[in-house]
Amino acid sequence: EAEVAQSPRYKITEKSQAVAFWCDPISGHATLYWYRQILGQGPELLVQFQDESVVDDSQLPKDRFSAERLKGVDSTLKIQPAELGDSAMYLCASSLSLGLGEETQYFGPGTRLLVL
Amino acid sequence: AQKVTQAQTEISVVEKEDVTLDCVYETRDTTYYLFWYKQPPSGELVFLIRRNSFDEQNEISGRYSWNFQKSTSSFNFTITASQVVDSAVYFCALSEPDNNAGNMLTFGGGTRLMVKP
Repeated sequence: EAEVAQSPRYKITEKSQAVAFWCDPISGHATLYWYRQILGQGPELLVQFQDESVVDDSQLPKDRFSAERLKGVDSTLKIQPAELGDSAMYLCASSLSLGLGEETQYFGPGTRLLVL
Repeated sequence: AQKVTQAQTEISVVEKEDVTLDCVYETRDTTYYLFWYKQPPSGELVFLIRRNSFDEQNEISGRYSWNFQKSTSSFNFTITASQVVDSAVYFCALSEPDNNAGNMLTFGGGTRLMVKP
């Protein structure tokens, strides 16, 4: 069964350092999402892509976060510089298309980030 | 604005008991979609079910069943004869059609289910 791949699974960094997370969606899925999940809460959308274009990044803290999906397949989420409050699980998801709310999103295993 | 509330933050049951996880949502749209996901300790979110606002039929899948009631804006999830492997955090989520926001899921805070042997 096709899955969303993410790496690394765990990342420990010191504040003010740069970190990057990678995601490879299910083959053929045009839409890719990055979510942040703080411990004890539900995931919150950071950014979504349709192919290589950003559809919505209104919740992405653009002063320190950036995301790209250059060839419309895999994607990278970067934080620079990392802050203590960035400690969370970063989840990547993909869906077949953008749709109008009906598309099912399939999630990867996530990257657990700890900022010291 | 859309909102999902899962009032039960944690539930503990003994194996073989039935358990119901509550989900209440708020939306201004007449067309919307509701989802349930399971998050085991390993971390990934596993898709369980999708329901659109025009389909109020209840659904059963093995030990899992879902009760959708538009009159009370609820989409509750029942596990029959619970098993230890059902222990996880369960999330209810809502999606509305929005040409500007694409396919954004709004999640509830989750319910942690612990099934004891």
